[in-house]
Amino acid sequence: SQQGEEDPQALSIQEGENATMNCSYKTSINNLQWYRQNSGRGLVHLILIRSNEREKHSGRLRVTLDTSKKSSSLLITASRAADTASYFCATDGAAGNKLTFGGGTRVLVKP
Amino acid sequence: EPEVTQTPSHQVTQMGQEVILRCVPISNHLYFYWYRQILGQKVEFLVSFYNNEISEKSEIFDDQFSVERPDGSNFTLKIRSTKLEDSAMYFCASSEVRGVGEKLFFGSGTQLSVL
Repeated sequence: SQQGEEDPQALSIQEGENATMNCSYKTSINNLQWYRQNSGRGLVHLILIRSNEREKHSGRLRVTLDTSKKSSSLLITASRAADTASYFCATDGAAGNKLTFGGGTRVLVKP
Repeated sequence: EPEVTQTPSHQVTQMGQEVILRCVPISNHLYFYWYRQILGQKVEFLVSFYNNEISEKSEIFDDQFSVERPDGSNFTLKIRSTKLEDSAMYFCASSEVRGVGEKLFFGSGTQLSVL
């Protein structure tokens, strides 16, 4: 798979349930970021986890990073209909800000 | 909250025509980027720009593409002779500093359709 591949590609859940999506990457990274994209809109930064961190929280978001497995997960707890969007992981493997994005997970939260 | 603005939101052009996509980055940001997303595909890096010069570019960013910061606020992407495969959503982004772990602020994008 290519750098930054999300799994699953699509996820449909009921409001109130948790949504978990995973990201795998191939090369070494300095940090990994998660972005959200509402349909037809730009990308919004959600959370960043550095390569020396294993877990990070921000509100209802929880991100984990396992550098030995080159993978990360994003958990959205107590999902809301407004969480319906595509979620992308992005890696930054060198000095600078060039980000390599994954293919995204489309999340549908049904009310 | 400050935001990156892009104009136009939609651009339709004929193959072979030149297009200029415009962006106004966040005012105190120093690093600027263009990314694109072909329908159904990944967001792809095109170019980064700092101190009035390109700092990095991808293989997509060939001689048909150019970027410019003509004044203190605008950042433009020019495609000299558009091709059908240039049809995509083009995102401008900016960041305050350059370095490991800096988040990017993205605009809402310009949907370019080449006919």
